[in-house]
Amino acid sequence: QSILTQPPSASGTPGQRVTISCSGSSSNIRTNAVNWYQQLPGTAPKLLIYDTNQRPSGVPDRFSGSKSGTSASLAISGLQSEDEADYYCATWDDSLNGWVFGGGTKLTVL
Amino acid sequence: EVQLVQSGAEVKKPGESLKISCQGSGYSFSTYWIAWVRQMPGKGLEWMGIIYGADSDTRYSPSFQGQVTILVDKSINTAYLQWSSLKTSDTAMYYCARHVTVGHVAADGLGAYWGQGTLVTVSS
Repeated sequence: QSILTQPPSASGTPGQRVTISCSGSSSNIRTNAVNWYQQLPGTAPKLLIYDTNQRPSGVPDRFSGSKSGTSASLAISGLQSEDEADYYCATWDDSLNGWVFGGGTKLTVL
Repeated sequence: EVQLVQSGAEVKKPGESLKISCQGSGYSFSTYWIAWVRQMPGKGLEWMGIIYGADSDTRYSPSFQGQVTILVDKSINTAYLQWSSLKTSDTAMYYCARHVTVGHVAADGLGAYWGQGTLVTVSS
């Protein structure tokens, strides 16, 4: 059971906007920045969003992040087939004094 | 160009020891945290711990404390993940990853750059 809760699956059609949620607590998401990662099949994870809403160079602006209280969200607009992947959230937990990951969400593009 | 290059796949027996490596290049190795992340077959990502190159400051996940050792040799820009006695349950892909932000704040920016992964198989 992960400390951060993500839906196990999400789906959308090409061009659609989808959001993936990440629910935490006052010791993690409420007080710390959230990162999001994309993992394509058979590859290493890739940083999509850091510091809750910042995109690394090269990440399309179709990807955006936000948080409110103890929850964070990743939004993907203009969904494309190549977005089909697993998505993970992560943040620092002050109680554990370490990083924690969400369980991951498998995104299917229908 | 920032790169993290991990050592190759390993096949080991239960009870054996193992040390896998992650060599960084293209940046000032000592001034960034390096994390180790486990991914068991078909499962999600698990944070194991981090190490800061300049002073070997190390933090472990409670789940992995005492089970593994994280080391660094800053003279050769390399971090290590070590087991003294492997179990079949250690079979997994292991990734190293460099933090986003330079400096000693462990809570800042996990995983700006990732190694290619090292597959560890433990089987009798």
